[in-house]
Amino acid sequence: GAGVSQSPRYKVAKRGQDVALRCDPISGHVSLFWYQQALGQGPEFLTYFQNEAQLDKSGLPSDRFFAERPEGSVSTLKIQRTQQEDSAVYLCASSLGGGASYNEQFFGPGTRLTVL
Amino acid sequence: GNSVTQMEGPVTLSEEAFLTINCTYTATGYPSLFWYVQYPGEGLQLLLKATKADDKGSNKGFEATYRKETTSFHLEKGSVQVSDSAVYFCALSERNTGFQKLVFGTGTRLLVSP
Repeated sequence: GAGVSQSPRYKVAKRGQDVALRCDPISGHVSLFWYQQALGQGPEFLTYFQNEAQLDKSGLPSDRFFAERPEGSVSTLKIQRTQQEDSAVYLCASSLGGGASYNEQFFGPGTRLTVL
Repeated sequence: GNSVTQMEGPVTLSEEAFLTINCTYTATGYPSLFWYVQYPGEGLQLLLKATKADDKGSNKGFEATYRKETTSFHLEKGSVQVSDSAVYFCALSERNTGFQKLVFGTGTRLLVSP
């Protein structure tokens, strides 16, 4: 496809379960971002990859959150022992270039996670 | 840290009315500024951007001017349509070592009635 895709689109988990959220960026895009969007709020940065390297994970809220991008393409955000406060929409974005210069970020539709 | 503040919604207008959504920011340095739009059931889309002071971004009849002296980037449209109903996010780019991340406001929902 031409855009960023994410799966699943919706995920319901019981408290304490582990979940894995997938992001397929636009082919050839070097940079990949994860954001968390709580209900009624704007997206907040979680982590950034340049190819397979995770250059910044300062936004991950706890050590229960883990992200990887082992081959520099598809990325997975994993949340262990989910809590109710993890309920949010998780957005993935990719951009063509890397580095400190501005590169437009293209967003996927998001995965809505609900923790019961 | 850097932050973005935008007016609370919802903003409710009739078709063809004039739109203003206020956005102000706090930042060190000279960030780029953006407006993103989120239509129901869709992902965030870049609406317009401005990369330096006094730049005007424009797209689809929307425009916003980067005002460094007032640290503002207000979104305007002269005549809204029902199809403009969406959530609008103001954002800035925060430069980190080796990459730029986006810092968003809380979003403003626009509802346009026929």
